[in-house]
Amino acid sequence: QKEVEQNSGPLSVPEGAIASLNCTYSDRGSQSFFWYRQYSGKSPELIMSIYSNGDKEDGRFTAQLNKASQYVSLLIRDSQPSDSATYLCAVVMFSGGYNKLIFGAGTRLAVHP
Amino acid sequence: DAEITQSPRHKITETGRQVTLACHQTWNHNNMFWYRQDLGHGLRLIHYSYGVHDTNKGEVSDGYSVSRSNTEDLPLTLESAASSQTSVYFCASSDAPLTSGRSNEQFFGPGTRLTVL
Repeated sequence: QKEVEQNSGPLSVPEGAIASLNCTYSDRGSQSFFWYRQYSGKSPELIMSIYSNGDKEDGRFTAQLNKASQYVSLLIRDSQPSDSATYLCAVVMFSGGYNKLIFGAGTRLAVHP
Repeated sequence: DAEITQSPRHKITETGRQVTLACHQTWNHNNMFWYRQDLGHGLRLIHYSYGVHDTNKGEVSDGYSVSRSNTEDLPLTLESAASSQTSVYFCASSDAPLTSGRSNEQFFGPGTRLTVL
């Protein structure tokens, strides 16, 4: 089992729809969770961080965390073609004797007009 | 504006050569990280540093080394490049070390695409 798992996609949604991206993680003790967006050929950029159970909203983005079920999700409302990118879920875990940021392989999102 | 830069942006080298990738940040962050990104694997940690003269191995450190002589720079050296090290390399920095509690976000440089022939 991978430490952080995401569906690779592509997830295809029409413009204006809600895109739902999901991530599960293996370490029940994890406390810090991040969503990064990565355009093709570019570096990851942070779009959301979440630390507590529940929802966190920032503009069109909502991160949802459920530590009991060990999943974190990202909702993008009113999806735009400019949201087409790969979304990386990242979780801080203690593994191998140190804390590290573990990334999922990413979900590719395609928003079509 | 503070930033993090990497050089070169693209590099082609031959098997067995030594290669150094530069990373420079002006955030004044103590914490710096090197990752590699390969299709299907996401980002994997190579080395990290929590301050000057501090370096630590990550999960895929074999064949790589780093040194930290000042706050701003963390160069990554491939001692004898191998074809398996063909990848995209990202440097990142943060203002606090990763902890088991709340951790701050990492900011990424633009990346270096390395090809080993």
